[in-house]
Amino acid sequence: AQSVAQPEDQVNVAEGNPLTVKCTYSVSGNPYLFWYVQYPNRGLQFLLKYITGDNLVKGSYGFEAEFNKSQTSFHLKKPSALVSDSALYFCAVRDNGARADTGRRALTFGSGTRLQVQP
Amino acid sequence: DGGITQSPKYLFRKEGQNVTLSCEQNLNHDAMYWYRQDPGQGLRLIYYSQIVNDFQKGDIAEGYSVSREKKESFPLTVTSAQKNPTAFYLCASSKQGSYNEQFFGPGTRLTVL
Repeated sequence: AQSVAQPEDQVNVAEGNPLTVKCTYSVSGNPYLFWYVQYPNRGLQFLLKYITGDNLVKGSYGFEAEFNKSQTSFHLKKPSALVSDSALYFCAVRDNGARADTGRRALTFGSGTRLQVQP
Repeated sequence: DGGITQSPKYLFRKEGQNVTLSCEQNLNHDAMYWYRQDPGQGLRLIYYSQIVNDFQKGDIAEGYSVSREKKESFPLTVTSAQKNPTAFYLCASSKQGSYNEQFFGPGTRLTVL
């Protein structure tokens, strides 16, 4: 089975400060990892993904994430937060070794972390 | 929300009624998905389809049905058997290949009166 945990329901950070949104995962094989952002009453927007290779992945809007296999983590980071970054962030995982049976080929999402950036 | 449309944006249903949520994509994606989003629970997979005329149950398929007669379309029917249908419903699509990201529609908010 594959699972994702986002341990923080909300993260508060001041504008201009660095931000981190945490994500840990569990898969039986090797993971494909994704970050999405959701603004109120909207669909999810893709930010970045880790498939293989360099552990530091760069994505949209200045976000990056670091894959750490030993800690089974994929934390989302940004060096300098903007008020407009305030939104709901989801981490998702897919086990690349899973068989194509029911549900296995789809993503498993974390419960989401609300990021609040104060001016 | 790029190439995927969902309609209607808001939907109100009386208890005992079936309702159908529309999802259309023009991205030429083979795979399409339906998720349900409830506060504090993230997204849960209802159904997914890897190819036309084929679909698979997800984690919470009970009370829902789908069809995939065309590549572009993946409608979701919420039946009267779904005990707690009030939620935000999201449709997504992707290219084949488990490493490909999913693209999401803007969502439909269903409320049971």
